[in-house]
Amino acid sequence: GAGVSQSPSNKVTEKGKDVELRCDPISGHTALYWYRQRLGQGLEFLIYFQGNSAPDKSGLPSDRFSAERTGESVSTLTIQRTQQEDSAVYLCASSPRAGADTQYFGPGTRLTVL
Amino acid sequence: QKEVEQNSGPLSVPEGAIASLNCTYSDRGSQSFFWYRQYSGKSPELIMFIYSNGDKEDGRFTAQLNKASQYVSLLIRDSQPSDSATYLCAVSSHGNNRLAFGKGNQVVVIP
Repeated sequence: GAGVSQSPSNKVTEKGKDVELRCDPISGHTALYWYRQRLGQGLEFLIYFQGNSAPDKSGLPSDRFSAERTGESVSTLTIQRTQQEDSAVYLCASSPRAGADTQYFGPGTRLTVL
Repeated sequence: QKEVEQNSGPLSVPEGAIASLNCTYSDRGSQSFFWYRQYSGKSPELIMFIYSNGDKEDGRFTAQLNKASQYVSLLIRDSQPSDSATYLCAVSSHGNNRLAFGKGNQVVVIP
């Protein structure tokens, strides 16, 4: 079946612009996660959704970052007034339910802020 | 102290040898432990998970967990060039609702 998909695969933007990153989880997966991976680093947790609710937003780096999920499906991560330090690969993962063992990752969106 | 630490530098092993990777974690209440493989420019893919102390084997991979010492390791037997990748250790805490990742260990298998 289809895996986790993300769009766009690459995004280049100018400092100060807003960007939206999209994630389509595996159908039927109720839990959805966003991570950030800077060059040469491990994954940094940002936020997770159970259904359309986000019980844990503790990883969001600043109030410029927000995320939403609708229809217990697609999620959008929005970064306002982008900064150069926001440049990273943003990875989305889903799992059948929160607390499930395996998170399945999408291909990521590579964001470059000039 | 970081939640999950992988301190070894790049690991070069000859084809057919055993690659050994280590990971330590700080949260003694952690319950689930994962190893992900990440090829350059690709997303992580799960290769092993382990919950109980001891060894867990899956093909050429063996995960070892020692909760008392708070470390988890991964052994890759009969290493192949296709095993060349970065291996990420991840630990599940906070009620299993988020994964804390280490920085990763790069493995290079030399033919």
